[in-house]
Parts: sequence; C-alpha cells; structure tokens
Amino acid sequence: DTAVSQTPKYLVTQMGNDKSIKCEQNLGHDTMYWYKQDSKKFLKIMFSYNNKELIINETVPNRFSPKSPDKAHLNLHINSLELGDSAVYFCASSQDSSGSFKETQYFGPGTRLLVL
Amino acid sequence: GQNIDQPTEMTATEGAIVQINCTYQTSGFNGLFWYQQHAGEAPTFLSYNVLDGLEEKGRFSSFLSRSKGYSYLLLKELQMKDSASYLCAGGNDYKLSFGAGTTVTVRA
Repeated sequence: DTAVSQTPKYLVTQMGNDKSIKCEQNLGHDTMYWYKQDSKKFLKIMFSYNNKELIINETVPNRFSPKSPDKAHLNLHINSLELGDSAVYFCASSQDSSGSFKETQYFGPGTRLLVL
Repeated sequence: GQNIDQPTEMTATEGAIVQINCTYQTSGFNGLFWYQQHAGEAPTFLSYNVLDGLEEKGRFSSFLSRSKGYSYLLLKELQMKDSASYLCAGGNDYKLSFGAGTTVTVRA
C-alpha cells in the first residue's frame, strides 16, 4: 500500500530533451509538493499545489511545468533539460488545506534524474 | 529570512546519545519539523514541534524554543540503523524550508 508513489524511479536522458515525472498519493491529502535535492543533499521546495491549484512557485524556471489533473496527482514536466537539472526530485503530500502548515508531509521514493 | 543552520556531520558510538542542534532565523514559522533520510531513500517524518518545550517519542526527542530560534533532536540508545541524515525544517505557508542536513554516523 504505497502512500506516495513516483514514476519513474530513474531517468537518464540527453540534454535538450523533454521529460515528465508522475506522482500519485492515495492518502486523501489536499496538498502536494515537488522538491529538488541536489548533489549536496540540500532539499528545496519547487512547487506546492492545494486542491489542484498552484500555491507556491519557488522561482523555478519556466521549463518546469507542474500539472495537477486531480488532487491525488501532481506531475512534473521538464522542457529542454539542462545538465544542472540532474538531481533527485521528490514528490510529497500533506493533509493541510489551510496554509497554516501544521501537517506532516509524506515523501515519495524520489526520481533520480541524470542529464547527459 | 528563513536561514536554517545545523552541523554538517556528527559521529557517535552505538548505545550513546547524540544531540543535533538547529538554529533558524525566520518570521512566521508555524512549526519545526525533523526528518530522517537514509542514503538513497526518501525523507521520513520524525517529529514536529509547534509549542516551546520537549516532545518525546521513544528513543527520539525534539525540543523547540521559538524565542531563541532554536531546536534540537536528541537520539538516545543509538543503533547502527540510526546512521542517516537528519533534516531540520521550518513550516509555513504551504512549504517546508529545510536545513542542509546533519549526517550522523554510528560506530560499533
């Protein structure tokens, strides 16, 4: 019973390509997130969605476009991949729907993206 | 700002106690979280403090002082499986702001 799942787990691609990462949560949560963890292991928020609506876009380049078809899914599409996009991308979800941020976030297993 | 600082590395012996400190400069944090992340895995939730004081959960405890912008995670009776990175994070406005993490190595 996977709570937060991501596909693919590994993604190796050439610079300039377009790729997507999918995320699904079966916890009934209202809020979903994308985080990027770089080679120095620093985990940084990219996007937050609450009930399918974008709440936070943390100065992420336009090449990154999240899409939430329903509140259980938050996909991440990346155009024109660059070498610097190589990182681990984590999806997460939480019950919080008020913005007051009292709820625990549950993380997916991560997608390891390598751009060559 | 929301600068979050924690030590980079700590080493301790099996069975010992280790305290990981976290300081932050922020306005509007609604709570302070601690996550554990084993190498190659996702972060998993350990503890959450919204009020000042100590929260105890088995071998792990977390403390918060909002006025001092200070928290710590206390790991007791260390086990080899506790070797991991421990991430301090402040939460507000639909996001968590993470520190760089403290890598704890437990030695036999």
